[in-house]
Amino acid sequence: KAGVTQTPRYLIKTRGQQVTLSCSPISGHRSVSWYQQTPGQGLQFLFEYFSETQRNKGNFPGRFSGRQFSNSRSEMNVSTLELGDSALYLCASSGEGSAGTGSEKLFFGSGTQLSVL
Amino acid sequence: QKEVEQNSGPLSVPEGAIASLNCTYSDRGSQSFFWYRQYSGKSPELIMFIYSNGDKEDGRFTAQLNKASQYVSLLIRDSQPSDSATYLCAVKYNNNDMRFGAGTRLTVKP
Repeated sequence: KAGVTQTPRYLIKTRGQQVTLSCSPISGHRSVSWYQQTPGQGLQFLFEYFSETQRNKGNFPGRFSGRQFSNSRSEMNVSTLELGDSALYLCASSGEGSAGTGSEKLFFGSGTQLSVL
Repeated sequence: QKEVEQNSGPLSVPEGAIASLNCTYSDRGSQSFFWYRQYSGKSPELIMFIYSNGDKEDGRFTAQLNKASQYVSLLIRDSQPSDSATYLCAVKYNNNDMRFGAGTRLTVKP
């Protein structure tokens, strides 16, 4: 089974631009979550999608948005980039199941390293 | 506020010792608890998950959960240099919202 695939691996943008990141989950997984990781901050939750619907959202400004397609692939968009948006953006997918089964554990992609100059 | 707190470390232990990593969480409604390991430059990978109070053992790893104290820990026995990594505690809430702590950096010295 192929793992979670994120593209591109690296991105360099300038302030004010916008960027779109892509994530393909593990086959059969319908939940896709996005996280931002910066040194010392751990993983900050952006949002989670399930069956094309945003199910949960973290505390990020509206410049961060996402969507999920019918094949469960997801995209994340950041508009009007700021220097502070430089980070590793991780996507993770998970299966569905009752708590206690382990099925909801996250599988992460390799991430997209975004640098804003 | 859904907060997950970890000591950032670094935690340094000699090879063969027990490494103890701790995590506290703020929401009593939390259902599931996970420990992820992240090597430098790599993505997090799951090591353990625990749902019920008490201990859960898997090889050299033991996860401990105390819901009354809102506390979860990870013990690594017979620590090896290959265990040197950042360990992330994650808590899943009732609405499928998974939150992570900032991570504890562990160094195992030969």
